[in-house]
Amino acid sequence: NAGVTQTPKFQVLKTGQSMTLQCAQDMNHNSMYWYRQDPGMGLRLIYYSASEGTTDKGEVPNGYNVSRLNKREFSLRLESAAPSQTSVYFCASERTSGSHEQYFGPGTRLTVT
Amino acid sequence: EDQVTQSPEALRLQEGESSSLNCSYTVSGLRGLFWYRQDPGKGPEFLFTLYSAGEEKEKERLKATLTKKESFLHITAPKPEDSATYLCAVQGNTNAGKSTFGDGTTLTVKP
Repeated sequence: NAGVTQTPKFQVLKTGQSMTLQCAQDMNHNSMYWYRQDPGMGLRLIYYSASEGTTDKGEVPNGYNVSRLNKREFSLRLESAAPSQTSVYFCASERTSGSHEQYFGPGTRLTVT
Repeated sequence: EDQVTQSPEALRLQEGESSSLNCSYTVSGLRGLFWYRQDPGKGPEFLFTLYSAGEEKEKERLKATLTKKESFLHITAPKPEDSATYLCAVQGNTNAGKSTFGDGTTLTVKP
């Protein structure tokens, strides 16, 4: 049981390049999330998916797209990277019943030069 | 719009010196208030969920409490391994599924 996995762990991009961040969970959770975390700040929601086939914008969606490929996988795409997107990106899934806590992956550290 | 404010931003304690972290929130109908621990270079790790005013939950040296406007994370006789950033988050009934996070309190416990 790996929980939430993310790839890659580190990435350096040049302005204008594109990339996709991958996330997978093996806990059979319905909801999945993408957050960004900037130094000294909490987590800001980029996009979330309440169930397979649905996605919705969060607080800071501009410059990003997402795909909920199936119940396990939720990817985040940067079509044309900008220096303002330098951040640490976390994927999470949420326990469907009970305490609704979220389980986080280890993060992707992205630098855009 | 849901809002979460955590204080202080940073807290330095001596080992064994008890203290509390504060989380003030505004939300339209509380679905849940969450506490997470985050170690440097890692993703947040779930600690507690609180649902209604007056509720308390404990885990080892940590105790979380909830009022209608605030939550406190009490740390009793902390140890150096309790050093981490503690994040508070809320989910409101009108934004079910969307958590709003505070900026966190970074706790350092000196031996």
